[in-house]
Amino acid sequence: DGGITQSPKYLFRKEGQNVTLSCEQNLNHDAMYWYRQDPGQGLRLIYYSQIVNDFQKGDIAEGYSVSREKKESFPLTVTSAQKNPTAFYLCASSIVTDSTNEKLFFGSGTQLSVL
Amino acid sequence: AQKITQTQPGMFVQEKEAVTLDCTYDTSDQSYGLFWYKQPSSGEMIFLIYQGSYDEQNATEGRYSLNFQKARKSANLVISASQLGDSAMYFCAMREDQDSSYKLIFGSGTRLLVRP
Repeated sequence: DGGITQSPKYLFRKEGQNVTLSCEQNLNHDAMYWYRQDPGQGLRLIYYSQIVNDFQKGDIAEGYSVSREKKESFPLTVTSAQKNPTAFYLCASSIVTDSTNEKLFFGSGTQLSVL
Repeated sequence: AQKITQTQPGMFVQEKEAVTLDCTYDTSDQSYGLFWYKQPSSGEMIFLIYQGSYDEQNATEGRYSLNFQKARKSANLVISASQLGDSAMYFCAMREDQDSSYKLIFGSGTRLLVRP
């Protein structure tokens, strides 16, 4: 079955530690996105990538980093500079990015908590 | 200003009844798309329905329909014959043609609880 796989489902971070959230897709999609969701709020865009080896900052990129070395993979690193990392992180992908009707396909998310 | 506004943090509906979830949007773009997603407690986001700004007919997908009122900039989701499995968070989202990232902009969501 095609889809987006996020791992781990739950992740704990210690103070001063960097952690990496995995996102893999086998949908052959060009575009991939990372969103952050806080309780009672909608999703906010952290980073996105429209092509391999290229990515752009979203609305709340500070304290995060990404890479896009392969089409299938778009890992997100939450660095120690992110002072409030506790949130639910969702990875998404889409086929193309030049159409307003292109929907996003989402993974099942990673809940990150600070110890 | 908020691009997507969902004014109902939470709603109740009786099983088998219809319910309307409100969504208003703000854009100066002529070409845009509107989406509704469902998020059950498991966390995944499930696509429900799409409406394009140039579509003349309201979108429908099974029990879901979108009440699109362009002049009012509203895109309300109507769920008919509610089922217990409809209990979830519902998000309205927009994609603008003028945005080169083509990201989805989300509202804050409405939590729907279906009563038996």
